Amino acid sequence: DIVMTQSPDSLAVSLGERATINCKSSQSVLYSSNNKNYLAWYQQKPGQPPKLLIYWASTRKSGVPDRFSGSGSGTDFTLTISSLQAEDVAVYYCQQYYDTPWTFGHGTKLEFK
Amino acid sequence: EEQLVESGGGLLQPGGSLRLSCAASGFTFSYYTMNWVRQAPGKGLEWISYINKNSTTTYYADSVKGRFTISRDNAKNALYLQMNSLRADDTAVYYCARVSGGFDMWGQGTMVTVSS
Repeated sequence: DIVMTQSPDSLAVSLGERATINCKSSQSVLYSSNNKNYLAWYQQKPGQPPKLLIYWASTRKSGVPDRFSGSGSGTDFTLTISSLQAEDVAVYYCQQYYDTPWTFGHGTKLEFK
Repeated sequence: EEQLVESGGGLLQPGGSLRLSCAASGFTFSYYTMNWVRQAPGKGLEWISYINKNSTTTYYADSVKGRFTISRDNAKNALYLQMNSLRADDTAVYYCARVSGGFDMWGQGTMVTVSS
């Protein structure tokens, strides 16, 4: 199984500041035939289902604010929120969909400083 | 409006069975592969099962293999999860999720509690 390791476990950021969450996979999730990284990022607020933010490691889902961006390739990935807003407080998960079992990171809790 | 709505959750004893349903609306259900994902109370997300568009391919997490069965009825726009031999560690919110470059749509979830 591909193990997804997120860091940090929790993060406190001031309003308007940058937040960076890292995700490392135990093996590459880059599919060489199409040069796509099978890596997604989700946001989950209390009592709500997860919401897809980023797929193919760096493609923002339609409707997601452009302060959210994804980067990385192979085994190392980053979710960046360029300027934290009040509504961004949540738990963030990375997920690989390169191979079954599709696996999620354990989550990063983002809070206000 | 595109949406997924789960139902069928409840409280039951260890060893029991339950069938979850996920009703899809607002999109062409048969065009998409589907999954079930669960989340134990206060814990992270666990993928548990996948089914392709025409039901010819299914996958399961080791934690549920041999006990859970995923199925779908494209004529009824419905996804199902038959859960047998339930255990306390199956207690979770169960979500159905649509695949489109990641899991792009999720239902609100249905709670399954396994307790004696």
